Amino acid sequence: GAGVSQSPSNKVTEKGKDVELRCDPISGHTALYWYRQSLGQGLEFLIYFQGNSAPDKSGLPSDRFSAERTGGSVSTLTIQRTQQEDSAVYLCASSPPGHLSGELFFGEGSRLTVL
Amino acid sequence: GQNIDQPTEMTATEGAIVQINCTYQTSGFNGLFWYQQHAGEAPTFLSYNVLDGLEEKGRFSSFLSRSKGYSYLLLKELQMKDSASYLCAVRDRLRSNSGYALNFGKGTSLLVTP
Repeated sequence: GAGVSQSPSNKVTEKGKDVELRCDPISGHTALYWYRQSLGQGLEFLIYFQGNSAPDKSGLPSDRFSAERTGGSVSTLTIQRTQQEDSAVYLCASSPPGHLSGELFFGEGSRLTVL
Repeated sequence: GQNIDQPTEMTATEGAIVQINCTYQTSGFNGLFWYQQHAGEAPTFLSYNVLDGLEEKGRFSSFLSRSKGYSYLLLKELQMKDSASYLCAVRDRLRSNSGYALNFGKGTSLLVTP
């Protein structure tokens, strides 16, 4: 009974470099979300995937951010040309189909530090 | 859009009761959630309200008034391990109409003292 798995747990990078963050949702969960949590801020919605449908990208802060989900399972969030303001914890969450409440199950996050 | 407000910090004594309030404004309400998040850990689900009234689950209860845009989380018989951040979130339909997302407040940091 594995939960949502994210890697890396910590990433330190230099300004201007690209980073990739990975999320393995709970098996059978069709909905997948990426959120960002900055110090002193609430969780900020980034992107939503549902099965093999086109994602809702309405929360992505700039075109430097992109995400994909292969085979309706694993997802990768890519940040190009990182900036210091990208430093945050990036949380992935998944949700099963037909779940009445729509509860999200979160991973422990990937902490990104941009120097 | 959303506007979700909750106090930044609260302090309470072990064994006591604490109430954490949350007010929200939303265009397409579809449920209110409370999550608990210990420092450095994943948020974990506590409660869900979609109809008005009180939902009780052990030491934790959550109340919702949709007409007032108001919810509270009630924690009874506080324990030291309850020291954590408590996140209020409103479920709302995405603009693309492809599904729903949770929109979170900034969280209330609760400190339980001996």
